[in-house]
Amino acid sequence: EAGVVQSPRYKIIEKKQPVAFWCNPISGHNTLYWYLQNLGQGPELLIRYENEEAVDDSQLPKDRFSAERLKGVDSTLKIQPAELGDSAVYLCASSSGLTDTQYFGPGTRLTVL
Amino acid sequence: QQQVKQSPQSLIVQKGGIPIINCAYENTAFDYFPWYQQFPGKGPALLIAIRPDVSEKKEGRFTISFNKSAKQFSLHIMDSQPGDSATYFCAASNNNDMRFGAGTRLTVKP
Repeated sequence: EAGVVQSPRYKIIEKKQPVAFWCNPISGHNTLYWYLQNLGQGPELLIRYENEEAVDDSQLPKDRFSAERLKGVDSTLKIQPAELGDSAVYLCASSSGLTDTQYFGPGTRLTVL
Repeated sequence: QQQVKQSPQSLIVQKGGIPIINCAYENTAFDYFPWYQQFPGKGPALLIAIRPDVSEKKEGRFTISFNKSAKQFSLHIMDSQPGDSATYFCAASNNNDMRFGAGTRLTVKP
């Protein structure tokens, strides 16, 4: 069974530029999460989807961040414009809803110059 | 507000030693407590998890001890190996709302 797929794995951009990350969850997983992981820290939730509905986006900085999960499968997280402080790893995870186990992708490491 | 506090921040043990990582939580609504292992450049991977109806769970060399009244839980790694060198995160979850500790960087020296 394929795991959570994320792309790109690395991204380097200049500040004020837009950037987008893509995630394809494990097949059949209805719940999808986007996390932010700063160096030396644990993951912090940005947004959680149940199918195509965003059920928890309270930690998403909505002035510059947006996300979508059309058709309730894969998802895109966008930052526009990026700031220096956005440099971090962006992790996507999914779960089946039958258990609490979350499965993580390898993450996208973003560097904003 | 940090809902899950993890210690120590880093830990160095000799091969064969038993590293212990501790976590404490505040929200009594949490009902699922996983531990994740993360290697550099990889996403966190589930190691072992426990629910509050048991006080201990063991899977291979990994054991979770859980103290519901103290709102604390810990990870023990028996007979640690250099390949166990990684960052370990505890977490606490309720209804798909998962909060992570800050992580412990474990180094197992040969």
